[in-house]
Amino acid sequence: DAGVIQSPRHEVTEMGQEVTLRCKPISGHDYLFWYRQTMMRGLELLIYFNNNVPIDDSGMPEDRFSAKMPNASFSTLKIQPSEPRDSAVYFCASSKMGAQNTEAFFGQGTRLTVV
Amino acid sequence: QKEVEQNSGPLSVPEGAIASLNCTYSDRVSQSFFWYRQYSGKSPELIMSIYSNGDKEDGRFTAQLNKASQYVSLLIRDSQPSDSATYLCAVSREEGAQKLVFGQGTRLTINP
Repeated sequence: DAGVIQSPRHEVTEMGQEVTLRCKPISGHDYLFWYRQTMMRGLELLIYFNNNVPIDDSGMPEDRFSAKMPNASFSTLKIQPSEPRDSAVYFCASSKMGAQNTEAFFGQGTRLTVV
Repeated sequence: QKEVEQNSGPLSVPEGAIASLNCTYSDRVSQSFFWYRQYSGKSPELIMSIYSNGDKEDGRFTAQLNKASQYVSLLIRDSQPSDSATYLCAVSREEGAQKLVFGQGTRLTINP
């Protein structure tokens, strides 16, 4: 398996524009997570899905952020409108349902810069 | 109080020595504990998980968990320059890797 695949790897956009980040989880994984990493706040969980259903979106910072998972192999994180403070690295991760010894595998991340 | 706290470092250790990384957490019902390594510009990768009190060894790495003290640590023996990275402690209320809460990370530098 190629692992968790995110696109784009880098995104530079102007304030006010819509940004869409994409993620393909590892095949067979039941959970998908979106994280954001900044120097100030570290790695924060934004939202996660189980079997394509959003379970907890309490980490989504504002209504400008939305996430969808239309099927088991694809998820998007959308920011509309984007603001400079949204600049961060956004990671998608996936894991398999189970008890112990489940591991969350991270994608390479999307570095977002809003100018 | 942050949910998961780590000393941000940087922590400098000579090559061949033992590096000791510490983490405390505030949620007493936490069940699963993880150590991730993150190289600069890369994504986090899991190096150890631990679920029960005591020590768990894997090669040069040993994770230690003390739920009564709400403390988890990572020891790296025979440190190598390739161990230089940021180490992230993550905690979950679930049995597995769901809804991880991460610490800020400790930057470790191994000096040749």
